[in-house]
Amino acid sequence: AQTVTQSQPEMSVQEAETVTLSCTYDTSESDYYLFWYKQPPSRQMILVIRQEAYKQQNATENRFSVNFQKAAKSFSLKISDSQLGDAAMYFCAYRSARDSGNTPLVFGKGTRLSVIA
Amino acid sequence: KAGVTQTPRYLIKTRGQQVTLSCSPISGHRSVSWYQQTPGQGLQFLFEYFSETQRNKGNFPGRFSGRQFSNSRSEMNVSTLELGDSALYLCASSWTANTEAFFGQGTRLTVV
Repeated sequence: AQTVTQSQPEMSVQEAETVTLSCTYDTSESDYYLFWYKQPPSRQMILVIRQEAYKQQNATENRFSVNFQKAAKSFSLKISDSQLGDAAMYFCAYRSARDSGNTPLVFGKGTRLSVIA
Repeated sequence: KAGVTQTPRYLIKTRGQQVTLSCSPISGHRSVSWYQQTPGQGLQFLFEYFSETQRNKGNFPGRFSGRQFSNSRSEMNVSTLELGDSALYLCASSWTANTEAFFGQGTRLTVV
């Protein structure tokens, strides 16, 4: 079974600074997707960024980028120019890309990010 | 385009009762998944429906059940509620079973 580990329960960053959240995963599959979701106090899970395992290029979405190291099974999220609105719980998630049947999202335990003004 | 809609947002039930939660996916999405989120266990997969068929089920007791209608709307039901069922229940919809999932705001269930 796949597992996702986020080793940093809490992180903090100064406004306008850069922060990196870590995520490692374990799988025997070669084709899969990785995601970062953000959950603010409103509790709605918001998709931040997605990475396909077959793509070597790291995904980028505005101030959010990832460092995907497939061999090391590492998938970190970098937030640049941090804003107060970035304060939230961040979840790393894995999903198999196999065609047979559904493959649920497997989530890490989350990292709570605080942004200091 | 409307997002994923979950109703109700909040529920308070008594032990032993049953509850039904509803989820309307994004228009065109045929896959609906349900997750339970608790402080202790984190996010755990309950089940997934695709075109009215349950395709996968998580490790939850039979008290947890669900269904999907022809318009892709989904319901989940929990019978004989226990205190430990208190949680945030999140619904997610996807275009297909293996693409990115978009979540609703969740239903906060409190069992007293």
